Amino acid sequence: GAVVSQHPSWVICKSGTSVKIECRSLDFQATTMFWYRQFPKQSLMLMATSNEGSKATYEQGVEKDKFLINHASLTLSTLTVTSAHPEDSSFYICSARVAVLGETQYFGPGTRLLVL
Amino acid sequence: AQKITQTQPGMFVQEKEAVTLDCTYDTSDPSYGLFWYKQPSSGEMIFLIYQGSYDQQNATEGRYSLNFQKARKSANLVISASQLGDSAMYFCAMREGSKAAGNKLTFGGGTRVLVKP
Repeated sequence: GAVVSQHPSWVICKSGTSVKIECRSLDFQATTMFWYRQFPKQSLMLMATSNEGSKATYEQGVEKDKFLINHASLTLSTLTVTSAHPEDSSFYICSARVAVLGETQYFGPGTRLLVL
Repeated sequence: AQKITQTQPGMFVQEKEAVTLDCTYDTSDPSYGLFWYKQPSSGEMIFLIYQGSYDQQNATEGRYSLNFQKARKSANLVISASQLGDSAMYFCAMREGSKAAGNKLTFGGGTRVLVKP
C-alpha cells in the first residue's frame, strides 16, 4: 500500500494561535487529498477535499476561513487551523488517493490537537 | 438518512474464533465502492479490504473477507481466526461513483471489537 505521513503527530497550543498540519504522500503522487476530523468515540467526518493546484472543496458546515487548506504539490497538502479554540481540539487525519492505485484512500497517522 | 450503518457499537470475540461485523449502506448510484478500515488505539486508519459494486466475487484479503450482498445492500466484514491484535475500532465506508460525489468516503459509526484471550 501507499504511505502517507502527517506532521506533527501531537500539538498542544494556546487559544488564539494558528496550527499548521502537513500531510505528505511519500511514495506516490496524490491527485486528491482529503482532510477528516474525528472527535472522541465518534466516526470520521470529512472536512474538505483538496486537489493539487486548485481550491479545496469544503463540506457543509466547515468554515473555510478557519480551516485553510493548501495543496501546493502532488505530494503535500497542509491544513491550518487559524485562531484555534478549545472546541477545535480533535484528531485530524488526512488521506490521499491516486487513480492508478485504484479507489482506495490511504490515511496518514493523524494529528491530535489540543487547544488550551 | 444514514448512508452507512453499523449497528454493532461493540462486541467481544474469543481469540481464534471468527467474527462478523455488520454494515449496511444506502445509495442510488449504480457505481460505488465499499471499504473496511481498522483503527487501533493509536488512531491510524488501516485499509483492510475493498469491494466494488460491479465485482462478481466477494473480496478476500488474508483473514479478512467481505460478505457482499448487493440486493440487501450489506457488506459485512468477516475476520477469521481472531487474534489479540485485532482488538480495534472497525469502520465501514462507501465511495459513491457519481461525479457529484467527488470520490468522497462516507463512514459508518464504527464497531469496537475486543478480542478475549
